[in-house]
Amino acid sequence: QQQVKQSPQSLIVQKGGISIINCAYENTAFDYFPWYQQFPGKGPALLIAIRPDVSEKKEGRFTISFNKSAKQFSLHIMDSQPGDSATYFCAASNGNQFYFGTGTSLTVIP
Amino acid sequence: NAGVMQNPRHLVRRRGQEARLRCSPMKGHSHVYWYRQLPEEGLKFMVYLQKENIIDESGMPKERFSAEFPKEGPSILRIQQVVRGDSAAYFCASALSGNTNQPQHFGDGTRLSIL
Repeated sequence: QQQVKQSPQSLIVQKGGISIINCAYENTAFDYFPWYQQFPGKGPALLIAIRPDVSEKKEGRFTISFNKSAKQFSLHIMDSQPGDSATYFCAASNGNQFYFGTGTSLTVIP
Repeated sequence: NAGVMQNPRHLVRRRGQEARLRCSPMKGHSHVYWYRQLPEEGLKFMVYLQKENIIDESGMPKERFSAEFPKEGPSILRIQQVVRGDSAAYFCASALSGNTNQPQHFGDGTRLSIL
């Protein structure tokens, strides 16, 4: 059973556009929601994270929007750049375990 | 390099052999997590260890798989009598504590191939 559902599976965006990746969860005990960026041959790197007491968090071009009642959260990448092309994973944690989405392969076209 | 170090980066084994994957956490981190990643899939939690203790092994198969994090030295994920289905990328992450206030930092993984 997939604890965290992520969409879309792949995404192509023009340079300068906005990339949006969505995740949904069921377990209301989750209290920490990070996003990871992974390049081929590398491990995931923490990008940005949010807690459910906040509806939005922004770090540079990356923004997480969090909707507690809908149990959904999303990553927005503003002014997308070719260097942002990577696989993005959302995750949720309730303490010991982190549950990951299945990933979104983002391609930013110059 | 103060990051999480995993070795080997690539490991090839024949069916029935043993695979040992090593993970040295970031300096000062005493919490280690192991994950498995199959192509086109997310990371699946396997086991969470603190120095000399297994905290949560609910994601690890009961047979053939074991993990340890000794007082001295790296954490080891051991797979005995490997089968083709064990082929995957195995990632280790470390954290300062088990509290979710502390993010997990990942190594670059070990790609295990079973012939």
